[in-house]
Amino acid sequence: QKEVEQDPGPLSVPEGAIVSLNCTYSNSAFQYFMWYRQYSRKGPELLMYTYSSGNKEDGRFTAQVDKSSKYISLFIRDSQPSDSATYLCAMSGGYGNNRLAFGKGNQVVVIP
Amino acid sequence: GAVVSQHPSRVICKSGTSVKIECRSLDFQATTMFWYRQFPKKSLMLMATSNEGSKATYEQGVEKDKFLINHASLTLSTLTVTSAHPEDSSFYICSASHRDRSSYEQYFGPGTRLTVT
Repeated sequence: QKEVEQDPGPLSVPEGAIVSLNCTYSNSAFQYFMWYRQYSRKGPELLMYTYSSGNKEDGRFTAQVDKSSKYISLFIRDSQPSDSATYLCAMSGGYGNNRLAFGKGNQVVVIP
Repeated sequence: GAVVSQHPSRVICKSGTSVKIECRSLDFQATTMFWYRQFPKKSLMLMATSNEGSKATYEQGVEKDKFLINHASLTLSTLTVTSAHPEDSSFYICSASHRDRSSYEQYFGPGTRLTVT
């Protein structure tokens, strides 16, 4: 079993729809959970950062962490064509040197 | 802000030559810098972790003599691909941990696309 599982998609949605992304993980020591957005041929950009279980909202983005189920989610409300990108989940806390474990990334396409 | 730059953004070199990639944190001091490579439609693969003034810690399977990392200051790290071969062609991305923020937050550079002919 891989440490972080993320369905690579692609996921196509119409503009204005809610985008729902998720990752599962196996390492119960993970405490820090991140979502990154990566546009084609660019480096990843940190979108959301959450410590331990709970919800975090930032504008149209909501991140949820359920440590009991080892499941994290990212929701994008009122999706825009500019949200079209690859979204990577990442997590850490299980290592002594701040290494991140990444999911494969989920490609999202928002159709105008 | 937490801006990380990389230079060059793309480079083409001949097989057998060496290539140096720079990673700079522009508006913050970075306690740790990380180097990744990414293949098309694949996730990021961590190559090494470096702290300023210390030797880099390489991941299993990454040749330290081939991928030389120097972390000379709190704002600059370099990756040198020595004696590059076509199989080294990839997208190389660095990231940095902000000294004044959680050590688990990493800020990524825009990446360097290396093509070895």
